[in-house]
Amino acid sequence: DQQVKQNSPSLSVQEGRISILNCDYTNSMFDYFLWYKKYPAEGPTFLISISSIKDKNEDGRFTVFLNKSAKHLSLHIVPSQPGDSAVYFCAASNYNNNDMRFGAGTRLTVKP
Amino acid sequence: EAGVAQSPRYKIIEKRQSVAFWCNPISGHATLYWYQQILGQGPKLLIQFQNNGVVDDSQLPKDRFSAERLKGVDSTLKIQPAKLEDSAVYLCASSLAHRPTDTQYFGPGTRLTVL
Repeated sequence: DQQVKQNSPSLSVQEGRISILNCDYTNSMFDYFLWYKKYPAEGPTFLISISSIKDKNEDGRFTVFLNKSAKHLSLHIVPSQPGDSAVYFCAASNYNNNDMRFGAGTRLTVKP
Repeated sequence: EAGVAQSPRYKIIEKRQSVAFWCNPISGHATLYWYQQILGQGPKLLIQFQNNGVVDDSQLPKDRFSAERLKGVDSTLKIQPAKLEDSAVYLCASSLAHRPTDTQYFGPGTRLTVL
């Protein structure tokens, strides 16, 4: 069951520009959303999260936006750096049921 | 602070054989998770433990998969017998407690190839 979808398998941007990664979900019971970053041969690492009571959360160069009516969230990276090149996973959960569902990931490549 | 440790890192077996994976979570973390990540997909939760008790194993194929967390620390995940479709990376994660807001820290994973 694809409750969390990342429709872009890959994205390539130039260093210094904005990277926008998108994620859609179908389950309206999800109320907590996360982004994880994964380098080759490593496990995913937590990047940023947002609760459904907010529509924006910012941490340095990373901002996550949530549009509940559209069941859509996005991750903005500004400015993008070559070290940001990785696979980014969107994940969703519910406060009452800690069963986190992941999207298939988007591979971001930041070119120098 | 030491991260989540997993072993082995790689395993190749023939179908119908058995295999076991080991995970040592971050010290003090009460909750431990096992995920299966098939190539091209996101991680899928198989089972989660709170201390040494199972919280959720609804997505664990119990006819062939089993997991235990004796003494509420280390955990093992076993597949017996393995099928071709079990080829995947098996990720272990741990968190301080059992809340979605508790960050899950992942180990490097065990890559299983079933021939």
